[in-house]
Amino acid sequence: SQTIHQWPATLVQPVGSPLSLECTVEGTSNPNLYWYRQAAGRGLQLLFYSVGIGQISSEVPQNLSASRPQDRQFILSSKKLLLSDSGFYLCAWRKEDEQYFGPGTRLTVT
Amino acid sequence: AQSVTQPDIHITVSEGASLELRCNYSYGATPYLFWYVQSPGQGLQLLLKYFSGDTLVQGIKGFEAEFKRSQSSFNLRKPSVHWSDAAEYFCAVGDKYKLSFGAGTTVTVRA
Repeated sequence: SQTIHQWPATLVQPVGSPLSLECTVEGTSNPNLYWYRQAAGRGLQLLFYSVGIGQISSEVPQNLSASRPQDRQFILSSKKLLLSDSGFYLCAWRKEDEQYFGPGTRLTVT
Repeated sequence: AQSVTQPDIHITVSEGASLELRCNYSYGATPYLFWYVQSPGQGLQLLLKYFSGDTLVQGIKGFEAEFKRSQSSFNLRKPSVHWSDAAEYFCAVGDKYKLSFGAGTTVTVRA
């Protein structure tokens, strides 16, 4: 069966510090992968999606970036965090017509 | 452009009572429609989906939803809620590759 992992589960970072969140999927190959952000009291905002290694589409211009160095690995990064980057970050993968979500990372920028 | 509106930010319902969550969408073609549930601090779990066919779809945990093309709606219902149904519910619309989510409806269940 397929499993999606995200880490860390929680993270507190100061403004201006770098960020690296990792997502890995097990039990499938060449999945479509997604990064979403959920701000407090708001819905999910699609940040990036990837259809293959090295292929990244950005949905929202911001100070975040994504990379896909391996087939089942998807990384969300920032060189300098802003207060507005605080939120709950969810990774997802697509199987047929459904998206399956990871447990999420709670990021607090102080 | 695709978008989803969930008009109700917060709904409180008594245990055993019925529940209906509203979802209106805007989409240029035949949409794929989904309802997800999120427990506090957790990821999202798919409740049900609609692609085509019967406009009344059944999902997990006793939920159902009805697609009404004329009203651009996909409302979620449950005849009798349980305390464990307290969560946040998201409606989503899109195609096979990309989804747009509503802002969510928080459901509180009172004893």
